[in-house]
Parts: sequence; structure tokens; C-alpha cells
Amino acid sequence: EMQLVESGGGLVQPGGSLKLSCAASGFGFSGSLIHWVRQASGKGLEWVGRIEVLANSFETAYAASVKGRFTISRDDSKNMAYLQMNSLKADDTAVYYCTRHRVVSGLQYGMDVWGQGTAVTVSS
Amino acid sequence: QSALTQPRSVSGSPGQSVTISCTGTNSNIGLYNYVSWYQQHPGKAPKLIIYDVTKRPSGVPPRFSGSKSGTTASLTISGLHAEDEADYYCCSFAGHDIHWVFGTGTQVVVL
Repeated sequence: EMQLVESGGGLVQPGGSLKLSCAASGFGFSGSLIHWVRQASGKGLEWVGRIEVLANSFETAYAASVKGRFTISRDDSKNMAYLQMNSLKADDTAVYYCTRHRVVSGLQYGMDVWGQGTAVTVSS
Repeated sequence: QSALTQPRSVSGSPGQSVTISCTGTNSNIGLYNYVSWYQQHPGKAPKLIIYDVTKRPSGVPPRFSGSKSGTTASLTISGLHAEDEADYYCCSFAGHDIHWVFGTGTQVVVL
């Protein structure tokens, strides 16, 4: 069974940092395209960023709302992706999901595997 | 980048059809055929139900279909089932600066 499991959420003060983890199993993680998506309570989905493997290097991209504060990384030897969040604000309070965007031979098949999410609360 | 615009809520009786619109711009939906739709039940993670505008992943019932015209994508549920009551989100690629953008979300209510 293909699975993603997030962890690392919790309560953090404004201005603080937190690192989320995303553990993959059941599919070929190496080289896969991974997004982070968040959802504030009662609100819609918001794309946070993504990491993909291009020509033996990792390429990342971020939403304007988190650029310069959040960093996505991965360790393919451990089937793990990470979201390092710095300078956190109250507006960053949300459930954070990691999701796989299936791409095969350049063809995209959507965000087909999602984790259960991990909750982040930024509050003093 | 603003979120794609969806109606807040749509409703229908079991067996009826409903259509959810997703309005974007010529920088996202109008330019790329990378529109996907996600179903989300309360307290659950989103689930992919349509990708590349019209394609259904394996296991998604054929009553779900997608289409696009200009800068508006649509999701149609033909023959509502009670279990279709959920929130639905569209998503589109928006180029290499904005990357990906989700819709505002639509609650489907089965009467």
C-alpha cells in the first residue's frame, strides 16, 4: 500500500521554527515529486511548495506566502521529505499535508497519494 | 496568486447531477491542461478524483467527470450518491513562478 505519514507538528511561538517530516512507503520514492499543502481550520487547501529531482539535483519551489521562510528537502536513502519552517507566523497555523505528484515519463497523473496531515499551531 | 474561484456550495438529491465550476485565468487554467480535482471528507485527507482535466484515476467511479472551457474547469457528478457529500477542490498548474494553485473549495450537499 502506498503511504505517506507526516510527523513533527505541534505548538510553536511566533517567530519560532519547526521541522515537519514525511515518511514514504509502498512506492518508489526516489525521484518522485513531493508537494507540501496546508489547510487552516475551516479553510481551503493552499499549495506550500514542492521538491523534485531533475538531472541528479533537487529543485524546489515555494508559494509566495512562505518563500524565504520555509525550506523543503529530502533524503531519498531514507524515503523521507522534510519541511523546515522558520520565522513562523500565526497565519501559518494549519494542518500540513505531504503529497506525491505522480509523474511517469514526463506525463503527470495528479497528486495521488496523501498523508493524514500534521497540525501546526503558531501561538504565544 | 489568488486562488481559483469555486462556488461555496452546490446541492442535489440522490440520483441528480451537479456541476462545480472552477474559474481561473489565462495564466493557469486557460494556459495549461494540468487541472485536477480533489474530494475531501471532514477530517480526512484530500483524494484525487480527476487529473489532466478529464482523466479519472483507477478506482474512481465513472459518475465523476471533468471538462474545461477557456479559463473555467468543471467537475460533474452524474447521479449523486450520499457518500459524495464532501468538499471538492480544483487545482491547476500556474507556470514556473506561481507553480500550483488550488480553488476556494465547494461543499457538495446531498439533500
